[in-house]
Amino acid sequence: QKEVEQNSGPLSVPEGAIASLNCTYSDRVSQSFFWYRQYSGKSPELIMSIYSNGDKEDGRFTAQLNKASQYVSLLIRDSQPSDSATYLCAVSLNNAGGTSYGKLTFGQGTILTVHP
Amino acid sequence: DAGVTQSPTHLIKTRGQQVTLRCSPISGHKSVSWYQQVLGQGPQFIFQYYEKEERGRGNFPDRFSARQFPNYSSELNVNALLLGDSALYLCASSLAGSGNTIYFGEGSWLTVV
Repeated sequence: QKEVEQNSGPLSVPEGAIASLNCTYSDRVSQSFFWYRQYSGKSPELIMSIYSNGDKEDGRFTAQLNKASQYVSLLIRDSQPSDSATYLCAVSLNNAGGTSYGKLTFGQGTILTVHP
Repeated sequence: DAGVTQSPTHLIKTRGQQVTLRCSPISGHKSVSWYQQVLGQGPQFIFQYYEKEERGRGNFPDRFSARQFPNYSSELNVNALLLGDSALYLCASSLAGSGNTIYFGEGSWLTVV
């Protein structure tokens, strides 16, 4: 089992629709969760972080975390063609000392295409 | 403020050669980590350095090494290059500690021929 798994995609949605991206993780001690957006040929760009169970909203983006189910998701409302990119879910795993020192474990990414 | 800067941006090497990639973190950030991203996959953790000490290492062979300098910049070295080392190498910096946001540089594209 992979440590972090994302819905395989690619995901195609029409402009204006809601895009739903999902991620599950295997390590229950994971404490920090991130969504990165990566345009083709570019580096990952942080768009959302979430640390507590529930929803976190930032503009058109909503991250949802359920630690009991080991599940984190990203919703993009009113999707725009400029949202077309690969979305990476990343998890920060605590070591025995309680700090992750910058280690993120990434999923394989989900390619999102928003068509006009 | 300048973000994470990496050099070179693109390079081509021959199998068996050695390569050094460089990274300058965001000002004030003392933690630097390195990731390898092969086409079509998510980034894979290689190393993490904090206060010039190695704090974590991913599942990479000993051909990969790194160091951090007193000014918190870092170098990643890869010896005896293989075709499979062709990838985007990402440097990231953070303040330190659990949950701190990690910021990526633009990466160094390495092609091994």
